[in-house]
Amino acid sequence: ETGVTQSPTHLIKTRGQQVTLRCSSQSGHNTVSWYQQALGQGPQFIFQYYREEENGRGNFPPRFSGLQFPNYSSELNVNALELDDSALYLCASSLGGQGGNEQFFGPGTRLTVL
Amino acid sequence: DQQVKQNSPSLRVQEGRISILNCDYTNSMFDYFLWYKKYPAEGPTFLISISSIKDKNEDGRFTVFLNKSAKHLSLHIVPSQPGDSAVYFCAAIGYGGATNKLIFGTGTLLAVQP
Repeated sequence: ETGVTQSPTHLIKTRGQQVTLRCSSQSGHNTVSWYQQALGQGPQFIFQYYREEENGRGNFPPRFSGLQFPNYSSELNVNALELDDSALYLCASSLGGQGGNEQFFGPGTRLTVL
Repeated sequence: DQQVKQNSPSLRVQEGRISILNCDYTNSMFDYFLWYKKYPAEGPTFLISISSIKDKNEDGRFTVFLNKSAKHLSLHIVPSQPGDSAVYFCAAIGYGGATNKLIFGTGTLLAVQP
């Protein structure tokens, strides 16, 4: 059974640029959630995708967008990067339309915005 | 507005002794709680969970206690081992619409000394 994988591991961008982060869900899981973890904080929910549709969203602006593909992998896109977007971005997969009670996390992508 | 709070940023315990990590929440609608452990450069790993219909759940060395009237839960690790040294996050399931988003606390860094 393959776990959740994310790419890239690290990324450095400058203000105003755009970034795409990728996530492959655990085998058999059809739901992907994205979280942002700022330094010294707990992960904050960005949004969730179930069967290629957005299934809920946290308090993040529209420049944070996502996609889920037929194989249930997912992308997180952030436009017009700001310094405060520097964080660890975590992807979590689960089974079920409501995300299930247990979500399995990938190792994260560390984004630095200069 | 922090709905899940971990008021102790760090905890230091001797190997073999009990570690007690605490978590408070404010939303009485939460009905499922989870503990995750996170090592540096890795994503959070699910540890143990509890439904609000229970007041205790045990799994090996890990026990979670839930006090609904006090809106408080705790994680007990006994005996503590050096490999338990990590950041521990408490999380609650927030049923917002069709999404089971995880709402995390800010984490407690546990250091188990040999």
